[in-house]
Amino acid sequence: GQQVMQIPQYQHVQEGEDFTTYCNSSTTLSNIQWYKQRPGGHPVFLIQLVKSGEVKKQKRLTFQFGEAKKNSSLHITATQTTDVGTYFCAGPGGTYKYIFGTGTRLKVLA
Amino acid sequence: DVKVTQSSRYLVKRTGEKVFLECVQDMDHENMFWYRQDPGLGLRLIYFSYDVKMKEKGDIPEGYSVSREKKERFSLILESASTNQTSMYLCASSVNYNSPLHFGNGTRLTVT
Repeated sequence: GQQVMQIPQYQHVQEGEDFTTYCNSSTTLSNIQWYKQRPGGHPVFLIQLVKSGEVKKQKRLTFQFGEAKKNSSLHITATQTTDVGTYFCAGPGGTYKYIFGTGTRLKVLA
Repeated sequence: DVKVTQSSRYLVKRTGEKVFLECVQDMDHENMFWYRQDPGLGLRLIYFSYDVKMKEKGDIPEGYSVSREKKERFSLILESASTNQTSMYLCASSVNYNSPLHFGNGTRLTVT
């Protein structure tokens, strides 16, 4: 079946360093969504990418959808302690449902 | 703002018990989902529903069933709880296909 993998599984960075997580799908995706889950919280939607090669920015966060629409990345510039959490990508896994990646847990050291 | 409410934040049940997890959304969303979250495994889809009384199996439906008698309510049922069903359970809803998912706060279920 379809799989969505994320790397790395964990990342520890010093505050101010950059961070990137990568998402790879075994199949072509019509779109991809990104979510953030704070420690003890629930996943919260960040953004959706639809077009091949699309790049979107939210302040220090940059999201990219690959040309082949099988991979995506999230890059955070100059991390802050508020960026701590687990970042998930999710892609359509058939009609109505979304398949989530395994997530990347980010820890920011002050 | 969309609100997805799960009935319990923490739940402790014994092996063999029948367990009901309730989820209610207040935005008239068509789709509702049940995921379980385990360390290192991400979110795995158990069941979803795209309309009242309609349900579809997700990736790990074994040992679970669901009920959607009203549009706003989606229940997850563990027919006979087992220790390997100890997990965080997350309910979500969305307006339609390709729309963002809105999650509830989750129910941490422990089966002893």
